[in-house]
Amino acid sequence: QKEVEQDPGPLSVPEGAIVSLNCTYSNSAFQYFMWYRQYSRKGPELLMYTYSSGNKEDGRFTAQVDKSSKYISLFIRDSQPSDSATYLCAINPYQTGANNLFFGTGTRLTVIP
Amino acid sequence: ETGVTQSPTHLIKTRGQQVTLRCSSQSGHNTVSWYQQALGQGPQFIFQYYREEENGRGNFPPRFSGLQFPNYSSELNVNALELDDSALYLCASSLGQGFYEQYFGPGTRLTVT
Repeated sequence: QKEVEQDPGPLSVPEGAIVSLNCTYSNSAFQYFMWYRQYSRKGPELLMYTYSSGNKEDGRFTAQVDKSSKYISLFIRDSQPSDSATYLCAINPYQTGANNLFFGTGTRLTVIP
Repeated sequence: ETGVTQSPTHLIKTRGQQVTLRCSSQSGHNTVSWYQQALGQGPQFIFQYYREEENGRGNFPPRFSGLQFPNYSSELNVNALELDDSALYLCASSLGQGFYEQYFGPGTRLTVT
C-alpha cells in the first residue's frame, strides 16, 4: 500500500466554483500534512501546512485533516483561472522517526473562465 | 533575497554514464532536499542534507549520492544511469531539519537514452 493516494483527475471546473481536492494516507501516526501547487514547468510551491486534525484557512484556501479517516482535503473557494495547476498533497511521517516526505501523484485542475 | 537555483536546466545522458546536478539554496537556508519527479507523478524524496550531513533518505539505491557544501549549496550525483532515471530533479531549501517552509527550485530535466 502506498503511503499516500491521490486522485489524479484531471478536474475541470467553471470560474467561481468551489473545488475539493482529496488524499488518503496509510499510517494513522503521520502528523504533518502539506498541500503544494505546481504550475507547468515550475517547482512546487507550498500552499498550506497543517499539523494534526482540524481545519486551517488561508484566504480562499482551506485545508482539512481527518485523522480518524486518514483523509486530507484542500478546498478552493471562488476558483480563478490562475488556480489552474497541479495540486500535490504531501505527508511528513515525523512521529514515526523517519525524516521523509511522501507526495501524492497530484491532481491537475483547470478553471475555465 | 535570491531564490533556489538549479543547474543545468536540461541534460541528456547515455545509459551507464554518471551525472552531477547542482543546487544553490535560498539565502539563509541550511537544509537542502532532493526529489525525483517522473512525468505525471508526484515528487519522490531522494534525501535531505542538513548542515552538510545526510538527514534522511528515501527509497533510492546507493548510486544516488549527494553532498552539501559549507555554503549550503548541494550536488546530486547519479552513477550508472538507467533509462528509468529520466525525470525532473527538484531541489528544495529550508531552514532547519524537516520539511517546513521549503522552497523549490525550477528543476533539472534529465533524459537518459
